Amino acid sequence: GAVVSQHPSRVICKSGTSVKIECRSLDFQATTMFWYRQFPKQSLMLMATSNEGSKATYEQGVEKDKFLINHASLTLSTLTVTSAHPEDSSFYICSARGSGDVQETQYFGPGTRLLVL
Amino acid sequence: RKEVEQDPGPFNVPEGATVAFNCTYSNSASQSFFWYRQDCRKEPKLLMSVYSSGNEDGRFTAQLNRASQYISLLIRDSKLSDSATYLCVVRGNFNKFYFGSGTKLNVKP
Repeated sequence: GAVVSQHPSRVICKSGTSVKIECRSLDFQATTMFWYRQFPKQSLMLMATSNEGSKATYEQGVEKDKFLINHASLTLSTLTVTSAHPEDSSFYICSARGSGDVQETQYFGPGTRLLVL
Repeated sequence: RKEVEQDPGPFNVPEGATVAFNCTYSNSASQSFFWYRQDCRKEPKLLMSVYSSGNEDGRFTAQLNRASQYISLLIRDSKLSDSATYLCVVRGNFNKFYFGSGTKLNVKP
């Protein structure tokens, strides 16, 4: 299947700092990428849909000024958690949707564990 | 009502058993259906897409029932390595993907 990478895999930071997470599609072009958050023992929650060359679409309840998304190319989307707080500690996962796939399957990155102290 | 609903389990089965999960979805206009597998503290990985005619991949069989709005996953001859959480995923309107909360499977020796 298609390969999606995320970097970093794990981040520990102090409260108030900003953290940038990169999501890359390695062997296909992804016009759309998705950012999810998963708290322990809960399901994935879609935060936003990232479209190459346009503004991201945020889900209800997700602050766009806090979670900045940039989808600058067909293979890279970034999520920046600004002024992170302990309640932002979570597992952040991106996914990318390949073009040309009728089913439009999503392929997930390995995720980034964020711990805000 | 949730877009996608799954029995959270856990399903505890012995090795070699056959186990089935169902998942219901609320939007009759949903377009694509998938089963993903998620291991503890890992990202979801695509297990299989679910086609209208049903499809089989080795020990795994997926079925779609549009009239009753559910999809199913059957695992035959369970292996210890099948232990994971199985996520039902549905693509709905505006290409949005909806995830079930997952069904946990424990395969015991």
